[in-house]
Amino acid sequence: QVQLQESGPGLVKPSGTLSLTCAVSGGSISSSNWWSWVRQPPGKGLEWIGEIYHSGSTNYNPSLKSRVTISVDKSKNQFSLKLSSVTAADTAVYYCARTEGYCSSTSCWHYFDYWGQGTLVTVSS
Amino acid sequence: EIVMTQSPATLSVSPGERATLSCRASQSVSSNLAWYQQKPGQAPRLLIYGASTRATGIPARFSGSGSGTEFTLTISSLQSEDFAVYYCQQYNNWPRLTFGGGTKVEIK
Repeated sequence: QVQLQESGPGLVKPSGTLSLTCAVSGGSISSSNWWSWVRQPPGKGLEWIGEIYHSGSTNYNPSLKSRVTISVDKSKNQFSLKLSSVTAADTAVYYCARTEGYCSSTSCWHYFDYWGQGTLVTVSS
Repeated sequence: EIVMTQSPATLSVSPGERATLSCRASQSVSSNLAWYQQKPGQAPRLLIYGASTRATGIPARFSGSGSGTEFTLTISSLQSEDFAVYYCQQYNNWPRLTFGGGTKVEIK
């Protein structure tokens, strides 16, 4: 069974860059799946951040696109998130997830079937 | 962006009773809708995709229905482990994937 584990600093200063890594085990990151980041502010709902394919192709939530970079390291079977210029509004539990579904030549239909346990990142000085 | 609205915000149900949760989309998402269950301190768990297909290992007491803009998640006979928050997610408007605000199912 696929397992995902997030890691990274739990505290980031305002205007800094949030960096997280998701290690994938029990399956290959080079499978036919995409791999996503989703976040959840304390006591609030879920927000999709973006996704990556093992080829390095990415798709981002337009509302965060200018600040987000997702990358993949196939040799380590992991992918990473960088979110720049963070503010207190970026304080959240960040989840990595395996994306399931399918894509055509112009669009995709994606939901999330395996999730990491999540990691809380607090933005504070 | 497609806005997903879930109702009610909180549903109080006794164990063994049926629970019916609603999710409404601001525009049609066809059948491209998923449901997730989240317990405190845990990650969401996929229950339903394609509006009505149960994910692997999900008990038959969970069922999904609907298409277009109106969707329902039904839990036929609530078990103690089913008290949680439930989220819907549309995936018809990629890459603008969006979730509903959640429905908390609590013990009556």
